[in-house]
Amino acid sequence: DQQVKQNSPSLSVQEGRISILNCDYTNSMFDYFLWYKKYPAEGPTFLISISSIKDKNEDGRFTVFLNKSAKHLSLHIVPSQPGDSAVYFCAASKSYGGSQGNLIFGKGTKLSVKP
Amino acid sequence: GAVVSQHPSRVICKSGTSVKIECRSLDFQATTMFWYRQFPKKSLMLMATSNEGSKATYEQGVEKDKFLINHASLTLSTLTVTSAHPEDSSFYICSASSILAGKTVDTQYFGPGTRLTVL
Repeated sequence: DQQVKQNSPSLSVQEGRISILNCDYTNSMFDYFLWYKKYPAEGPTFLISISSIKDKNEDGRFTVFLNKSAKHLSLHIVPSQPGDSAVYFCAASKSYGGSQGNLIFGKGTKLSVKP
Repeated sequence: GAVVSQHPSRVICKSGTSVKIECRSLDFQATTMFWYRQFPKKSLMLMATSNEGSKATYEQGVEKDKFLINHASLTLSTLTVTSAHPEDSSFYICSASSILAGKTVDTQYFGPGTRLTVL
């Protein structure tokens, strides 16, 4: 049973527009969420995170929104750039601070930003 | 900051041999290191968690005698795939985190990965 779901395997966006990547989770015990970006044959790069006590966290062009009641989070990238083209993984963790760091990853969404 | 390296980036070996993969945190002390495996078209699966100086904690279904993990220092962890078989062929990625930097252990920094091919 997949606890973290990224239902869109791919997304194509025009340069300059907004990219919205979605993630749903089933375990209400998750209280910390992260987004990673991954290029082929490379390890994931940490982008942005959010704890369950917040509903929004912003860092430059990246904003993560968390809707706990819907068990849904999204990553907004605006404006999108061709260099943003990569696979984006959503990850969740169960106990903030005292966690052993067991991140549960979604399957990823491949973002393509077209010039 | 927060750079993690892995070596080798790619290795091809014969069935039955052992392969060692190194994971190093270059500019910070990693109190915890993690080893993941990624299957084609699938997500990252955590294999084990290791804290410096103590035994690794393996996830269910991961054979600890086959995937030996050593975390001898705050900057180095190794994964040894013993008696490798073709089904062990995969992309292995390590990550490191540190509570020393004021961050939670959940903020993990990943290495570039190692592509293992067992013939």
